[in-house]
Amino acid sequence: QVQLQESGPGLVKPSQTLSLTCSVSGASISSGGYYWSWIRQHPGTGLEWIGYIYYAGSTYYNSSLKSRITISVDTSKNQFFLKLNSVTAADTAVYYCARGYSTSPAAGMDVWGQGTTVTVSS
Amino acid sequence: QSVLTQPPSVSGAPGQRVTISCTGSTSNIGAGYDVHWYQQFPGTAPKFLMYGNGNRPSGVPDRFSGSKSGTSASLAITGLQAEDEADYYCQSYDGSLSGVIFGGGTKLTVL
Repeated sequence: QVQLQESGPGLVKPSQTLSLTCSVSGASISSGGYYWSWIRQHPGTGLEWIGYIYYAGSTYYNSSLKSRITISVDTSKNQFFLKLNSVTAADTAVYYCARGYSTSPAAGMDVWGQGTTVTVSS
Repeated sequence: QSVLTQPPSVSGAPGQRVTISCTGSTSNIGAGYDVHWYQQFPGTAPKFLMYGNGNRPSGVPDRFSGSKSGTSASLAITGLQAEDEADYYCQSYDGSLSGVIFGGGTKLTVL
């Protein structure tokens, strides 16, 4: 079955760049038909959509984070990535990657990674 | 503050029926965008529970149902079980924001 797995540093210093990787198994990103998304959840709070990417590379970002985000994809490695610049303590959260079940941005996300905790602290 | 509004908490006794509302606006649910629901247990990733307003993914019990009307949607759980105790989130798309939106989440307590 399709599985997603986040990886990256669990601790990032303030003002630095948070970099995460989502590795996809059981499906090929390059086959199309889906979007690939990043979502985060601050401690004890709800879900916040960060952005998503299609296999061809087109991206859509949360307007509140847009100036600091880059989402990219490497279809040869079946991975997609999140970079968040100039982090502060407010970026401390559990970060999830997920698959949208169609190419429509209004589609839900049917497969999620287990999440990775990122703490921003010096 | 979330674009989609959910009650912070709901509760019910085993066997009862509970509903969780998700209220949006004319730029999201009212614009015709689908509503999806997720179930999340503490320390785990959200689970895809309902899609396209009222469709259940394979493996989700038919005790769970969803509906949408106007600018709101709701998730109903009948025959409440202790294992249903979790957080529930609704999700849609907002045409004005051009992005995915979530509700603030509802904590379901089984009494």
